[in-house]
Amino acid sequence: DAGVIQSPRHEVTEMGQEVTLRCKPISGHNSLFWYRQTMMRGLELLIYFNNNVPIDDSGMPEDRFSAKMPNASFSTLKIQPSEPRDSAVYFCASSYRGNNQPQHFGDGTRLSIL
Amino acid sequence: GNSVTQMEGPVTLSEEAFLTINCTYTATGYPSLFWYVQYPGEGLQLLLKATKADDKGSNKGFEATYRKETTSFHLEKGSVQVSDSAVYFCALSDRNTNAGKSTFGDGTTLTVKP
Repeated sequence: DAGVIQSPRHEVTEMGQEVTLRCKPISGHNSLFWYRQTMMRGLELLIYFNNNVPIDDSGMPEDRFSAKMPNASFSTLKIQPSEPRDSAVYFCASSYRGNNQPQHFGDGTRLSIL
Repeated sequence: GNSVTQMEGPVTLSEEAFLTINCTYTATGYPSLFWYVQYPGEGLQLLLKATKADDKGSNKGFEATYRKETTSFHLEKGSVQVSDSAVYFCALSDRNTNAGKSTFGDGTTLTVKP
């Protein structure tokens, strides 16, 4: 059974460039989450979707960040323009909707903005 | 609102030592409780869970008991191994909030020395 698949695994780019991170959730899961992890701030929830609809984007740091989920099997997180302080590991997770259901995490995208 | 407080790390133990990582929570409803583990370079993965009071979750020699009276879910292992070195996250999911969203603790880094 395939897990959550994220791409790319690593991204290095210069500030000002557009960055797009991709996520394929586990088939059948109807909730999808985007997180950011840094040493300073720990694990932060950016946005989550239920049935492809954004439910809470209050964690998105600023208007430079946007996320979409055009269908049940794909989501993107975009940063435009990118800044050095966006450097972090970005995780996507998916789950069945329900409070006793665990989240399944991908291996993350390590993003470095120079 | 919901919150999870974990024992601060880092924690360093010798192989075969007894492990306890404390976790307490605040929730408005009847949460499910989880422990996740993150190995270097990977995403979080579910270690164990408990969905109601007095339930005990267990996996790979780790155990945690859902204590409603003390609002705690402490993680224990009787004899740790070097391979248990990782970051451990306590989390809750509350059915009174938007389904599927979890609240995570700050994580506790465990290092086991041979």
